[in-house]
Amino acid sequence: KAGVTQTPRYLIKTRGQQVTLSCSPISGHRSVSWYQQTPGQGLQFLFEYFSETQRNKGNFPGRFSGRQFSNSRSEMNVSTLELGDSALYLCASSLWGSPDEQYFGPGTRLTVT
Amino acid sequence: QQQVKQSPQSLIVQKGGISIINCAYENTAFDYFPWYQQFPGKGPALLIAIRPDVSEKKEGRFTISFNKSAKQFSLHIMDSQPGDSATYFCVAEASGTYKYIFGTGTRLKVLA
Repeated sequence: KAGVTQTPRYLIKTRGQQVTLSCSPISGHRSVSWYQQTPGQGLQFLFEYFSETQRNKGNFPGRFSGRQFSNSRSEMNVSTLELGDSALYLCASSLWGSPDEQYFGPGTRLTVT
Repeated sequence: QQQVKQSPQSLIVQKGGISIINCAYENTAFDYFPWYQQFPGKGPALLIAIRPDVSEKKEGRFTISFNKSAKQFSLHIMDSQPGDSATYFCVAEASGTYKYIFGTGTRLKVLA
């Protein structure tokens, strides 16, 4: 079956702009998690959604937000972009949420200039 | 207390050798410890996972050793192969949080 897909794969934005990233989970998976990966901070948890409800969120400013749709697809939005938001944004899907195996997508590489 | 400390940061091993990566945690609420493998340009993929009720789990050439009292766990890769060259992450999770805490990663290079 098809894996987790993320769009776009690459994105260049300017400071102050906003961006929306999309994640389509594996068919049948209802949980979607988002992570930020940077060389300095590693992989950090952003938030997790299940059946359109956010069940947990990480320690990120309110500029980072997300949502999940009834078909389990998820989007995350970053407003007022800062240079430090440059990162690889990964989403992962699972049937019910961890500890079910999480399947990661290839990520969206965001560069803020 | 939410951190997972991972070492070494990088590791070079000869083909056929044993690769060992260590992790330590403080939060006793953690009760699920998966290891993920990431190749360049790809998202992480589950390698093997363990719960604290067992001290060791083996899958093929990959073994997790778990020391609950010391709050430490490690990944051993036996007969390391060049195809194992990747970044490895230890992860910890507390039930019901749906939140993975990743270690800082170990970049493994296996020389042919």
